[in-house]
Amino acid sequence: EAGVVQSPRYKIIEKKQPVAFWCNPISGHNTLYWYLQNLGQGPELLIRYENEEAVDDSQLPKDRFSAERLKGVDSTLKIQPAELGDSAVYLCASSLGTSGRVDEQFFGPGTRLTVL
Amino acid sequence: LAKTTQPISMDSYEGQEVNITCSHNNIATNDYITWYQQFPSQGPRFIIQGYKTKVTNEVASLFIPADRKSSTLSLPRVSLSDTAVYYCLVGLTGANNLFFGTGTRLTVIP
Repeated sequence: EAGVVQSPRYKIIEKKQPVAFWCNPISGHNTLYWYLQNLGQGPELLIRYENEEAVDDSQLPKDRFSAERLKGVDSTLKIQPAELGDSAVYLCASSLGTSGRVDEQFFGPGTRLTVL
Repeated sequence: LAKTTQPISMDSYEGQEVNITCSHNNIATNDYITWYQQFPSQGPRFIIQGYKTKVTNEVASLFIPADRKSSTLSLPRVSLSDTAVYYCLVGLTGANNLFFGTGTRLTVIP
């Protein structure tokens, strides 16, 4: 079974440029997560989707970050414009979305973003 | 928000048992305790999950005392390939309290 797919794996851009990350979750997984991970830190949740609905986006900097999950499958995370401090690894994860318990999250390899 | 406290780093020799303790003093009644492992340049990987007492699977054991304010991940007979960062996570998927913290960096020495 294929795991969570993310692309690109690496991205280098100049500040003020836009950038987009793509995630394809495991087939049948209703819940999708986007995390940001800085060097030496644990992942920090940016947004969580239940199917097409963003149910937790309280940590998403909405002035420059946006996300969508059309048709409840693939998802895209966008930053516009990027700032130097956005340099980090962006992780996507998915889970079955079983209510009433804690789902096992399956993570993709991440996209390493470098903003120059 | 049920945040956690773990040691920043630990070293162990190959073949030894490693115990990593996580403190979560304000754990809520419905919270579960989950541990993830992360290798460099990879996303975290689920290891084990529990609610109370003891849980064991093919790779680890999880010990949770009656008050649930802490938990201990036990890795039997570690090998070099167990060198990684281990995260203790407390909460519910459906709640706004998914917090990984900084994790424990385990280094296994030959």
